[in-house]
Amino acid sequence: GEDVEQSLFLSVREGDSSVINCTYTDSSSTYLYWYKQEPGAGLQLLTYIFSNMDMKQDQRLTVLLNKKDKHLSLRIADTQTGDSAIYFCAESSGNTGRRALTFGSGTRLQVQP
Amino acid sequence: DVKVTQSSRYLVKRTGEKVFLECVQDMDHENMFWYRQDPGLGLRLIYFSYDVKMKEKGDIPEGYSVSREKKERFSLILESASTNQTSMYLCASSLWGDTEAFFGQGTRLTVV
Repeated sequence: GEDVEQSLFLSVREGDSSVINCTYTDSSSTYLYWYKQEPGAGLQLLTYIFSNMDMKQDQRLTVLLNKKDKHLSLRIADTQTGDSAIYFCAESSGNTGRRALTFGSGTRLQVQP
Repeated sequence: DVKVTQSSRYLVKRTGEKVFLECVQDMDHENMFWYRQDPGLGLRLIYFSYDVKMKEKGDIPEGYSVSREKKERFSLILESASTNQTSMYLCASSLWGDTEAFFGQGTRLTVV
């Protein structure tokens, strides 16, 4: 099946930038997503990028996509303690019309004051 | 706002019991999904449904079945619960498979 890989843990100091990396395998993905999960909650969409783009910026968030290397990254500028959460990368995979999101293992971001 | 509601936040069941997890969405989405979340493994797809009465196996369907009799409701069934099914279960819906999935709050199931 398709595979999405992320590192499990990242620790940064408040005010620094965080970069969370992800690699994926399905080159036919139309969209690639970043989801955030706060403790005890479900997943919320943070941002997404269309597969024909190589960069998307949304306030403190920057998504970079390298299609050749199948590498996706999420940069959070000026990281705050409220950004502490698990971040999941996801790609859409499967047959046309019957696609589902495949998620990575999640990266736990810890922001130290 | 899209709302995906799971019937229980916490459940404790005994080994061998039949367990029903219910999920309802209010945005007329075509697709609904059941994932389980385990530490270090991320979210793994159990089953999904792309239409009423239609279902497709995900990556880990063994020990589970699903039911979608109405568009807004997608049920996950554990025919005979086992301790290795202790997990967080997340339901999601999307307009179609490539688009953003909206998640419920999750059901933490403990099988003793």
